[in-house]
This record gives sequence, structure tokens and C-alpha cells, in this order.
Amino acid sequence: KNEVEQSPQNLTAQEGEFITINCSYSVGISALHWLQQHPGGGIVSLFMLSSGKKKHGRLIATINIQEKHSSLHITASHPRDSAVYICAVRFLIGTASKLTFGTGTRLQVTL
Amino acid sequence: EPEVTQTPSHQVTQMGQEVILRCVPISNHLYFYWYRQILGQKVEFLVSFYNNEISEKSEIFDDQFSVERPDGSNFTLKIRSTKLEDSAMYFCASSEWLVYEQYFGPGTRLTVT
Repeated sequence: KNEVEQSPQNLTAQEGEFITINCSYSVGISALHWLQQHPGGGIVSLFMLSSGKKKHGRLIATINIQEKHSSLHITASHPRDSAVYICAVRFLIGTASKLTFGTGTRLQVTL
Repeated sequence: EPEVTQTPSHQVTQMGQEVILRCVPISNHLYFYWYRQILGQKVEFLVSFYNNEISEKSEIFDDQFSVERPDGSNFTLKIRSTKLEDSAMYFCASSEWLVYEQYFGPGTRLTVT
């Protein structure tokens, strides 16, 4: 079964802390997306990866295709980073355009 | 920066009524998608659309649902006869090409009473 799992489900950090959110998936993929969902519900695309590592500002995303695992790192976290972070993948087997989503990691960054 | 827009932001309807949710994708994008998120649950794929036809649809996307691109800019999701369980946030997204990054709209919150 094509599944996406994220950990942790909830994460509380103090401002300035280094944060890691993990995503693992069950079978081969063509692409993995990291998304941010704001408290109001809107979704913003942060990264799309098929290999290696990408960096944008304080955000870094890595993927290990062999281990079927990706991580999203936030350096020097800030209260405005508080949101739900969602991993979504496009599996190789089966449908080409469908994204399968994880349940999300709720991050709360406090002062 | 170009963005995906959706209207309305919130729609309340009675069970059995038809609703149309509207989206304006980014203008040079070729692939369009609808997703839904029931409160407290994960986002789920509904349908993808390319070249004026459905590319893929999920098991959720039954005969009660339809999509259309009535003109060069709008992309709509119609639910023919709404049920209580259709209450959810519906997101539209678009991408330049199939394996490119998807850009999401702000969502339409549908409440069926």
C-alpha cells in the first residue's frame, strides 16, 4: 500500500532552536513535496525534491531515495514558523499526477 | 507574483443542493488539481485535469463530482447533490507541467448543513 508517514505529529520548540521534521514513504517515488499549512488553512509549497538537498533561507530539505526518507530542517526557528508542515509524494507505481499526503506535523515555536 | 485564486472563501449550503467552487489557476500552467481536507484530517487528492479532460481521479471523485474549464481562465469543481460528509476545505492547485511544483489556492471552506 502506498503510504506516507510523518514524525513527530506535534512539535513544540523555543525560538532559535533547530527543528527537524521527518517523512518516510513505503515505495519508490518520482517527487516529494514539503508544504506549509498556515493556521488559516492556506497551503504554501516550500520544496519539491527528487534527490539530494535544497535550501531556501532558513529551511533545508533533504531526501534519501534508497532509505525512502526525507527531512525538513528549520534553522533558528521563529514563532512565525508555527504552522503544520506536510509531506506529499508522487509514487512511481500507479497514478502519475496524484499526490499522496502525510498527516502533517504541527509545529509551535514559542518565545 | 502570480497566484492561484479561489472563490468563494466560504460556502454554506443545504444537503442535496448543488455547489460550484471556482478557481483561477496561474495563467501559463497546464495541469490543474482539486484536493479536499476534512477538518482534522489529511489532504486528499480528488482529480487532476489536463488538456480539457480528466487525467486522474480518486475513488472519492464519484458521479456526484465534475470538473470543467469553461473558459481560458476558470477551473470549476461541481458537486451535484451535496452530502453532510462533503463538508471540507477544498483546495485548487496548478502546475506548469506534470512533475513540476504545484501552487495551491487559499481554499474554499464548504459547509453542508
